[in-house]
Amino acid sequence: DGGITQSPKYLFRKEGQNVTLSCEQNLNHDAMYWYRQDPGQGLRLIYYSQIVNDFQKGDIAEGYSVSREKKESFPLTVTSAQKNPTAFYLCASSTTRQGAVQPQHFGDGTRLSIL
Amino acid sequence: KNQVEQSPQSLIILEGKNCTLQCNYTVSPFSNLRWYKQDTGRGPVSLTIMTFSENTKSNGRYTATLDADTKQSSLHITASQLSDSASYICVVSAGSQAGTALIFGKGTTLSVSS
Repeated sequence: DGGITQSPKYLFRKEGQNVTLSCEQNLNHDAMYWYRQDPGQGLRLIYYSQIVNDFQKGDIAEGYSVSREKKESFPLTVTSAQKNPTAFYLCASSTTRQGAVQPQHFGDGTRLSIL
Repeated sequence: KNQVEQSPQSLIILEGKNCTLQCNYTVSPFSNLRWYKQDTGRGPVSLTIMTFSENTKSNGRYTATLDADTKQSSLHITASQLSDSASYICVVSAGSQAGTALIFGKGTTLSVSS
């Protein structure tokens, strides 16, 4: 079955530590996204990538970094500069094919907490 | 400012009953409106997508409506089941290209009890 796999499901970060969240998709989608979800708030875009080796900042990119070396993979690093990293992180992908609007497909998220 | 407002914030209904969730938006330009279902601890799953020219779309027991003039959408759930307990998120897009800003509502939490 095609889909998006995020790992780990739960992650704990110590003060001053960088952590990396994994996102892999086998849907052959060109575009991939990272969102942050906080209780009582709508999803907010961190970074997105439309093609390999290219990515753009979203609305809340400060304290985060990404890479897109392979079409299937879009890892997110939460750096020590992100002072409030506790949240539910969602990775998504979509086709960039012209024509009918296509939905974004989401992974099942990584819940990051501070130790 | 682009905004998506959903109501009610939460809702409790008995199994077998119908319910309607509301979404009002102020997004310009408007391209499409999406409804997603998010189970607790899981990622959102797409239910429907409607463009400007569509005013209703169904997916099983879920029926979404769109009034582009009043900038309102509703999601009607028929004959609710316990598995319908989830958060329902309304999302409005200003374009169809990847990277186009998607404006997410905060969601309506639906609880279906037996």
